[in-house]
Amino acid sequence: DTEVTQTPKHLVMGMTNKKSLKCEQHMGHRAMYWYKQKAKKPPELMFVYSYEKLSINESVPSRFSPECPNSSLLNLHLHALQPEDSALYLCASSHGEFYNSPLHFGNGTRLTVT
Amino acid sequence: GESVGLHLPTLSVQEGDNSIINCAYSNSASDYFIWYKQESGKGPQFIIDIRSNMDKRQGQRVTVLLNKTVKHLSLQIAATQPGDSAVYFCAETMNNAGNMLTFGGGTRLMVKP
Repeated sequence: DTEVTQTPKHLVMGMTNKKSLKCEQHMGHRAMYWYKQKAKKPPELMFVYSYEKLSINESVPSRFSPECPNSSLLNLHLHALQPEDSALYLCASSHGEFYNSPLHFGNGTRLTVT
Repeated sequence: GESVGLHLPTLSVQEGDNSIINCAYSNSASDYFIWYKQESGKGPQFIIDIRSNMDKRQGQRVTVLLNKTVKHLSLQIAATQPGDSAVYFCAETMNNAGNMLTFGGGTRLMVKP
């Protein structure tokens, strides 16, 4: 099983709802990531946090709002999403943003926007 | 009807045979490469990585080959097992881009018993 834990595993929300995705790792990694994956496609980078600070935002719409409360936790706050935002949202972590080491992924949250 | 781009390339092999999954990468400046395995309903799982100063790296039942001349990466799986059935992604990055991975499109491996 993965050492990156994501909750919930499944989420169904309406376009007017506000919800949050949560991610936790206890490997001492200092970089954490949010990826979005559509069916039969590779993961696409959304955000990178390095030492609890947002370092990369890949032009993600403001209806997605990341938060890193501490080095072990990463949240993704969702508000006013569209049906096309339905996807698998993956969290990942690595030793550091600028140290080439493999990303460790969680099993994702399957999001459906109705 | 079918839509372009919604079907992953598929490799079908017999259990016990060796599998070779190929990946063409785009950036000649990339210097770190990773193979991930993604099973249905799960996140990508790290398999093996290789840096650009190497041509070959071996793990348990897996070997990654890197040909920088033609920008080609391959993953060889020895004695393929049903549990190897999954989608395999290659990913590349540059040293000065940290861990901003660029993923390839993926290949589905199906193992026939």
